[in-house]
Order: sequence, then C-alpha cells, then structure tokens
Amino acid sequence: ILNVEQSPQSLHVQEGDSTNFTCSFPSSNFYALHWYRWETAKSPEALFVMTLNGDEKKKGRISATLNTKEGYSYLYIKGSQPEDSATYLCASLGSGGSNYKLTFGKGTLLTVNP
Amino acid sequence: GAGVSQSPSNKVTEKGKDVELRCDPISGHTALYWYRQSLGQGLEFLIYFQGNSAPDKSGLPSDRFSAERTGGSVSTLTIQRTQQEDSAVYLCASRFPGGHTDTQYFGPGTRLTVL
Repeated sequence: ILNVEQSPQSLHVQEGDSTNFTCSFPSSNFYALHWYRWETAKSPEALFVMTLNGDEKKKGRISATLNTKEGYSYLYIKGSQPEDSATYLCASLGSGGSNYKLTFGKGTLLTVNP
Repeated sequence: GAGVSQSPSNKVTEKGKDVELRCDPISGHTALYWYRQSLGQGLEFLIYFQGNSAPDKSGLPSDRFSAERTGGSVSTLTIQRTQQEDSAVYLCASRFPGGHTDTQYFGPGTRLTVL
C-alpha cells in the first residue's frame, strides 16, 4: 500500500446501529495514525492519535484499534446517532516520507438516519 | 479557548485574479500547516511552517502558490493568477510545540471557487 485508503467511501445506517470503517496505510516509516471527524461547514475535529501497535482508544461511543505491522486501523461507532453523521478521516504520519506531515485518506461519509 | 480561525470562509474569484487566504493559529502553536481538498480528493499537504520558517514547501502545486508566516503567528497563503483547478477547500492546522505525533488542530477552511 502506497497511499492511505479508507473504506467504505460512504454508508448509511439507521439510528441505533453499530458500524465500523477501515483505514489502510503504509506500514513502513510509520509514526502515528490520526482519526478526525469532519462535519459540513465545521473544522475537522480530532478524535484519536494512535502510535503503538495493538493500541485501542475510546471516546464515548467511538473507539479505534491500530495494527501497525499490517497497516490498518478500524474505527467503531456503537449505537449510531444522527449527530454522528459526518465524514471520518484517517491520516498517517510518516507515509509521505516525513515525520511531520499527514497523508490523508479520502474519508468515509457516514449518514445516520433517524 | 479560541481555536484556529481562517478568513474568508468563502471566496469566489475570476480566473486570473490573485487571492489571499488567512490563517490565525492557536496561540502558542509553533507548527502550522496548510492543506487543501479538491473535489473528490483527500486532504492534500501544501506547506509546513515551524515558527516563521517553512522547511517543507514540497506540496505547493506551482510557483503561483506562496505562503508566509509572520511573528510566529498569522499565516497567509497567496495564489496568483488563479486557475479553475485551484478551486478547493483550503484548510489550515496548527500544533503545539511538542512531538510531531501530537494532534493538529484545524480551522474551518476557506472554500475557494475560481470561475
């Protein structure tokens, strides 16, 4: 994998459903993996910064895991709510050959229907 | 506390005109980044400032793009002779002077439309 890739590109779920999406990134030159939530017309909001293989982080109903050896991270949302509707971005630090600039995926657009 | 602010929030310009985009980072944040998101693309790195210096300008797409930062604070991104392919959302982010793995805090962006 040369770029940061996210899947699915978009998904629609019903309120109360649990969901997850995937971020794949180059496992070489890895420094950190960032997750952001970006709502329309707002600033991207930082969710997690993950650095260690096997790391798991949780913030309310949202959690994330990290596998640096195989180059993937999963983001989970438990009991989705309409306010969770947003684009979820992941970004790898190091993929661009430097240890300071983030390389972003194209995002997963989540729509939660009431 | 105040977050990263950007102005204008929207800018519509004619092809060939120059535009200037402004970023006010969080106070005390020494690292500042510019990114842009073109239609259908992910966020793309443009330039990185550490203080007033730009050690990495490699993401600037052409010599029509330039950026500066003064007083270790406000940054401006200037696009000369705008082209339609410059239409995008331009985002600024700043980071506390800790490690590079620390969180980058983003502004709300400037949506640039070149007619």
